[in-house]
Amino acid sequence: IAGITQAPTSQILAAGRRMTLRCTQDMRHNAMYWYRQDLGLGLRLIHYSNTAGTTGKGEVPDGYSVSRANTDDFPLTLASAVPSQTSVYFCASSPGGVNEQFFGPGTRLTVL
Amino acid sequence: AQSVTQLGSHVSVSEGALVLLRCNYSSSVPPYLFWYVQYPNQGLQLLLKYTTGATLVKGINGFEAEFKKSETSFHLTKPSAHMSDAAEYFCAVRLSTGNNNDMRFGAGTRLTVKP
Repeated sequence: IAGITQAPTSQILAAGRRMTLRCTQDMRHNAMYWYRQDLGLGLRLIHYSNTAGTTGKGEVPDGYSVSRANTDDFPLTLASAVPSQTSVYFCASSPGGVNEQFFGPGTRLTVL
Repeated sequence: AQSVTQLGSHVSVSEGALVLLRCNYSSSVPPYLFWYVQYPNQGLQLLLKYTTGATLVKGINGFEAEFKKSETSFHLTKPSAHMSDAAEYFCAVRLSTGNNNDMRFGAGTRLTVKP
């Protein structure tokens, strides 16, 4: 059982380029999330999806978009990357209710 | 909206000493509270959670936390630190009446364990 996988593990990207971070879970969780982690700020929610076919904006959604075509996959796209998007990105999923969120291993993204 | 404050971005203890990581929250309704641990270059793993019932909750690796409503606190403790406890710890809060997506994390506390 893999849980949540993220790809790539790390990436260096030129400013202005388009980039999609991939996230796949095999736990059949309804809800999925994208966070960015920055030193001193903890984790901040970018976008979420409560169920396949629906998405919503989190605390810091600008410059990012997501889609949820099926239960397992929740890709995050940076349409035109900027240096302030340099961060570590975590995908998470949850069955909902009182349950916790389960996290992937993260993607370290550097935008130059 | 709910929020979380972790007092102390960095805590250092000696091996065998008590570990105390502080977390205070603000919430307009009864909260769900979580502690996560993050080891270097890894994702977050759940240590323990409080939803309802007993206010002292026990987690993995000998950690426990007590929900104190009067103090709006959910401090994490471990009686005796081990070298393997060195990691970053995050407190998180979610409203019990809100959406599952509305979880707020503290800024994190890095725990160092000295031999």
